[in-house]
Amino acid sequence: GNSVTQMEGPVTLSEEAFLTINCTYTATGYPSLFWYVQYPGEGLQLLLKATKADDKGSNKGFEATYRKETTSFHLEKGSVQVSDSAVYFCALSDGSGYSTLTFGKGTMLLVSP
Amino acid sequence: SAVISQKPSRDICQRGTSLTIQCQVDSQVTMMFWYRQQPGQSLTLIATANQGSEATYESGFVIDKFPISRPNLTFSTLTVSNMSPEDSSIYLCSVEQAPNTEAFFGQGTRLTVV
Repeated sequence: GNSVTQMEGPVTLSEEAFLTINCTYTATGYPSLFWYVQYPGEGLQLLLKATKADDKGSNKGFEATYRKETTSFHLEKGSVQVSDSAVYFCALSDGSGYSTLTFGKGTMLLVSP
Repeated sequence: SAVISQKPSRDICQRGTSLTIQCQVDSQVTMMFWYRQQPGQSLTLIATANQGSEATYESGFVIDKFPISRPNLTFSTLTVSNMSPEDSSIYLCSVEQAPNTEAFFGQGTRLTVV
């Protein structure tokens, strides 16, 4: 079956530091890959996505590249802000019709001033 | 986009009782999904609810424990029945407006069973 593995947190960074949150997946076929973010007290929001190999998703300074050869979709940001503090979830869907999502465990990011 | 209102946002319940969680969407959607997030774990799909038909449950989840209603295209409920402390989790409602499009989530219901 499908599975997603992401690095455990919390990840603690100072403002303006570089961020990487690793995500690897196992899936049959050609999944779509997602990063969702959950700010304190809120629901999950889609941060970015990629639907095929070598696609790069980007949003709000975050980016991730769909690497089929390494089955990875690592999340990066060049300079984090305090407002980026949240829980980040890597997820995949099998891309066929209405697809249920398979999630990683989530990684908490804490950014200090 | 879709805006999802989920109620209650949190509750503390006695073991052996039941809680019904409501999910209201601001637009008509075909498919609604219910997920559970246990402490320190990832989100796990409980069931898929299609309007006009019985919900489809994932392995490990049964209708007697988690009955779901889907009376129309904008509303669904999930009931957690005969609760035990192991049911303490965050329960989330999710929708997709069309195939292969973004999934939208409610803010979740944080349930604690004592």
